[in-house]
Amino acid sequence: NAGVTQTPKFRVLKTGQSMTLLCAQDMNHEYMYWYRQDPGMGLRLIHYSVGEGTTAKGEVPDGYNVSRLKKQNFLLGLESAAPSQTSVYFCASSQPGQGRHFGAGTRLSVL
Amino acid sequence: SQQGEEDPQALSIQEGENATMNCSYKTSINNLQWYRQNSGRGLVHLILIRSNEREKHSGRLRVTLDTSKKSSSLLITASRAADTASYFCATVTGEGAQKLVFGQGTRLTINP
Repeated sequence: NAGVTQTPKFRVLKTGQSMTLLCAQDMNHEYMYWYRQDPGMGLRLIHYSVGEGTTAKGEVPDGYNVSRLKKQNFLLGLESAAPSQTSVYFCASSQPGQGRHFGAGTRLSVL
Repeated sequence: SQQGEEDPQALSIQEGENATMNCSYKTSINNLQWYRQNSGRGLVHLILIRSNEREKHSGRLRVTLDTSKKSSSLLITASRAADTASYFCATVTGEGAQKLVFGQGTRLTINP
């Protein structure tokens, strides 16, 4: 039982490049989330999903897209990376009304 | 926007002492959760307390909730060096997907 797995762990992009962050959970959780964490700030919600095939915007969705084609996977895409998207990205999953299970994070630098 | 605000922002104590961290929030909540984050790692869920609960325990952790004051506290008893981490409170303010809003955290250092 691996919990929540994020890939990759580290990535460096040039401005304008695109990439996809993958999140996989093996706990059969209904809900999945993508957060970003910046120095001096708490986690901020980017997008979330309440079930397979559904997605919704969070607090800071601009510049990101997501997809949840399978219940266990939640993908976060950056179509045209910007330096402002340099951050640590965390995926999480949960059952309704329960605490979140977080992945180990992806450190992204956009030059 | 951040709903929860932790106090203090940093706390340093000796091993074996108790550590208390506080969280204040602004609007009515469905539940409040505490998380721990070790340096360079993901967050770990510690305790969830619902709006109709006043106190919960989990091992050396005790969480209280005062909805009239819109505040919560996390007490760690008999602290250990391994408790060194950042602690975040997070509030859930609605039903459904239950968006979780995090505070900025308290950095706890346990000195051996």
